[in-house]
Amino acid sequence: QKEVEQNSGPLSVPEGAIASLNCTYSDRVSQSFFWYRQYSGKSPELIMSIYSNGDKEDGRFTAQLNKASQYVSLLIRDSQPSDSATYLCAVRETGNQFYFGTGTSLTVIP
Amino acid sequence: EAGVVQSPRYKIIEKKQPVAFWCNPISGHNTLYWYLQNLGQGPELLIRYENEEAVDDSQLPKDRFSAERLKGVDSTLKIQPAELGDSAVYLCASSFRGGSTYNEQFFGPGTRLTVL
Repeated sequence: QKEVEQNSGPLSVPEGAIASLNCTYSDRVSQSFFWYRQYSGKSPELIMSIYSNGDKEDGRFTAQLNKASQYVSLLIRDSQPSDSATYLCAVRETGNQFYFGTGTSLTVIP
Repeated sequence: EAGVVQSPRYKIIEKKQPVAFWCNPISGHNTLYWYLQNLGQGPELLIRYENEEAVDDSQLPKDRFSAERLKGVDSTLKIQPAELGDSAVYLCASSFRGGSTYNEQFFGPGTRLTVL
């Protein structure tokens, strides 16, 4: 059974703080890792992709991958109220199959 | 570049009625996915197409669900007959397989189905 685990939250952070979202996965053959943002009533929107160990930065977002620990995280710096959403972690395997976590709900308090 | 297009956006039907959803993927994307998403859950795969071939339909309830992707471009997902438990958001996504490490997947806006 392939699993992608996320803390469902809710996670609350004050505006301007760093939000840290975590994800673990069970399958060691996983190839690529993704973070999606999903606003209420909307579809998932891709915000970060990572496939090699280490950090990848894009604006206020940093994705971190540790394949040995089967762990991927997303850091959001200088959190804004507009970042309030559910964040989905997704894992892609060699067969082009994607697996999703249940999402972490983030609320940024003004 | 246009994103993934889905229609309709909303559908309300009586139980036992048929319903169909349509999806047009991003131009050039050879992989198309249909997902079901319930409230508070992540997307769950129903079927995946590589070009016109359904390569993973193990989670598709074949007694009432069917799908097709003629000519390897747009796709239709059908439910007949619909049951109350089918109320959910149906998401279509696409990606390009080949030549990229990421094979990033992009979602359409979804169809929110309500079965009464």
